[in-house]
Amino acid sequence: QKEVEQDPGPLSVPEGAIVSLNCTYSNSAFQYFMWYRQYSRKGPELLMYTYSSGNKEDGRFTAQVDKSSKYISLFIRDSQPSDSATYLCAMQRSQGNLIFGKGTKLSVKP
Amino acid sequence: NAGVTQTPKFRVLKTGQSMTLLCAQDMNHEYMYWYRQDPGMGLRLIHYSVGEGTTAKGEVPDGYNVSRLKKQNFLLGLESAAPSQTSVYFCASSYQQGAHSGANVLTFGAGSRLTVL
Repeated sequence: QKEVEQDPGPLSVPEGAIVSLNCTYSNSAFQYFMWYRQYSRKGPELLMYTYSSGNKEDGRFTAQVDKSSKYISLFIRDSQPSDSATYLCAMQRSQGNLIFGKGTKLSVKP
Repeated sequence: NAGVTQTPKFRVLKTGQSMTLLCAQDMNHEYMYWYRQDPGMGLRLIHYSVGEGTTAKGEVPDGYNVSRLKKQNFLLGLESAAPSQTSVYFCASSYQQGAHSGANVLTFGAGSRLTVL
């Protein structure tokens, strides 16, 4: 079993929809959970990160971590065409390098 | 601030040729990384550096060498390119771990697209 699993999609939604992106993981030592956004032919950029379990909200974006289920989610409310990108989850132990998911490609149609 | 700058952006090589990818950061970051990104494989860590003069192997180091002679620069070398090294290469940098509550927040460059024929 890979340490981090992420459905590659692609995922296509209409503008204004609520989007749910998810990752599962197997290593219970992970402490930090991150979401990166990558536009086509660009480098990934950090959207947000959370420490341990719980929710974190930033504008239209909400990150959730459920350590008991080893499951993390990113919700996008009122999705916009500008949200069309690949979303990568990444995880980290208390110290150490990041382990990335393969990314989910999202397309928001006007 | 330019952030993380990678050169070249595109390169085509023949099998067996050598080349060096250059990464430069102007954020005074301690840590620097080289990743490759392939369809269906995600981002995989090749080599990384925790400070000037140091390097360490990542997940997929074979066929690559790196050097960090100056804090702001991290070079990735391919001594004898193979078609399996056709990929998009990303450089990233971060503060010393612990500066952001322990989270290792990476800043990425725009990528270098390499094709080996």
